[in-house]
Amino acid sequence: NAGVTQTPKFQVLKTGQSMTLQCAQDMNHEYMSWYRQDPGMGLRLIHYSVGAGITDQGEVPNGYNVSRSTTEDFPLRLLSAAPSQTSVYFCASRFGALSSYEQYFGPGTRLTVT
Amino acid sequence: RKEVEQDPGPFNVPEGATVAFNCTYSNSASQSFFWYRQDCRKEPKLLMSVYSSGNEDGRFTAQLNRASQYISLLIRDSKLSDSATYLCVVKRRDDKIIFGKGTRLHILP
Repeated sequence: NAGVTQTPKFQVLKTGQSMTLQCAQDMNHEYMSWYRQDPGMGLRLIHYSVGAGITDQGEVPNGYNVSRSTTEDFPLRLLSAAPSQTSVYFCASRFGALSSYEQYFGPGTRLTVT
Repeated sequence: RKEVEQDPGPFNVPEGATVAFNCTYSNSASQSFFWYRQDCRKEPKLLMSVYSSGNEDGRFTAQLNRASQYISLLIRDSKLSDSATYLCVVKRRDDKIIFGKGTRLHILP
């Protein structure tokens, strides 16, 4: 049982490049989320999904796309990287409503955009 | 005003001391409350849920005051390994989860 896994752990991009951050969970969780964490800003929700085929925007969705074709996977795509997207990205998952609300986080991806 | 507010600290506390910090929330529709712990350069992990009657887990005690809209975390007999950032987390009735920015705690030897 690996929990929530994220790849890559570190990434450096040039402005304008695109890439996909991978996230997978093996706990059969319905809810998955992407957060970014910046110094002094705390965790901010980018996008989330309440189940396969369903996604919605969080607090800071601009510049990012997501899809949820399976329960296990929830990739985050950066369309055209900008220096403002330099951050630590965490993927999280949990069971759905009326269940435990403990969120399990992946180890994070540290992204630098130059 | 932020929906969930915490004193960012840092709290510098000698080993063995008791330390407490609060978190205030502004949305009265907040339903569930949690404390998460985040070590430096690591992911957040659940420390404990916070129940209306207050709850204890070893050296950690969490309290909820719905009337004044705050939750608290008390750490007794602090250890060096308690050094971390503590995140206050609130779940609203619409199922949205809101994180505070965290309180940094340094336990000094």
